[in-house]
Amino acid sequence: SQELEQSPQSLIVQEGKNLTINCTSSKTLYGLYWYKQKYGEGLIFLMMLQKGGEEKSHEKITAKLDEKKQQSSLHITASQPSHAGIYLCGPNPGYALNFGKGTSLLVTP
Amino acid sequence: DAGVIQSPRHEVTEMGQEVTLRCKPISGHDYLFWYRQTMMRGLELLIYFNNNVPIDDSGMPEDRFSAKMPNASFSTLKIQPSEPRDSAVYFCASTSTGAGANVLTFGAGSRLTVL
Repeated sequence: SQELEQSPQSLIVQEGKNLTINCTSSKTLYGLYWYKQKYGEGLIFLMMLQKGGEEKSHEKITAKLDEKKQQSSLHITASQPSHAGIYLCGPNPGYALNFGKGTSLLVTP
Repeated sequence: DAGVIQSPRHEVTEMGQEVTLRCKPISGHDYLFWYRQTMMRGLELLIYFNNNVPIDDSGMPEDRFSAKMPNASFSTLKIQPSEPRDSAVYFCASTSTGAGANVLTFGAGSRLTVL
């Protein structure tokens, strides 16, 4: 079964707009990792969250983990074409869970 | 470091043939993971190794799939016999617990098409 649920499945936003991607787990997470994938390539690490309530930012991307450590969000401010790709949330690999199915993001001019 | 190296990048084969996918992890990484990605099921964990020893293979679909890691710098994923439903992108990833973060470094993937 898929332990991590992502929403939305796909997103089309106009350049400059903000967007949010959500990741929900049925179990308490011992670490939540966000990765980005471009078509035909492997996944690239973005951010890792470990503590309840934790928030991290890198450039225009902010990720948060809720206090119960069962839900995470990835927020992109003032989106750019370079943000396009598939965003996946994943568990601590040591816990042998599956990744979320991913959110495909397209940024239009 | 050249990163995680996977081969072949693309493989097209006929049903019933044996397929072997290869992976070279990052030097010094003690964990190696094999994933399969499809549109329907997303990124699924198949098996992972720690110090060359298989730790959890519960994600391996069936006996047609097998994985080995004969040494710290090489792993294979074999499908025999292959079936059309095995068509997917197979990723290898490695990490080091020594760094404490468990961040995975992924290879570029092997795209398998079984006709």
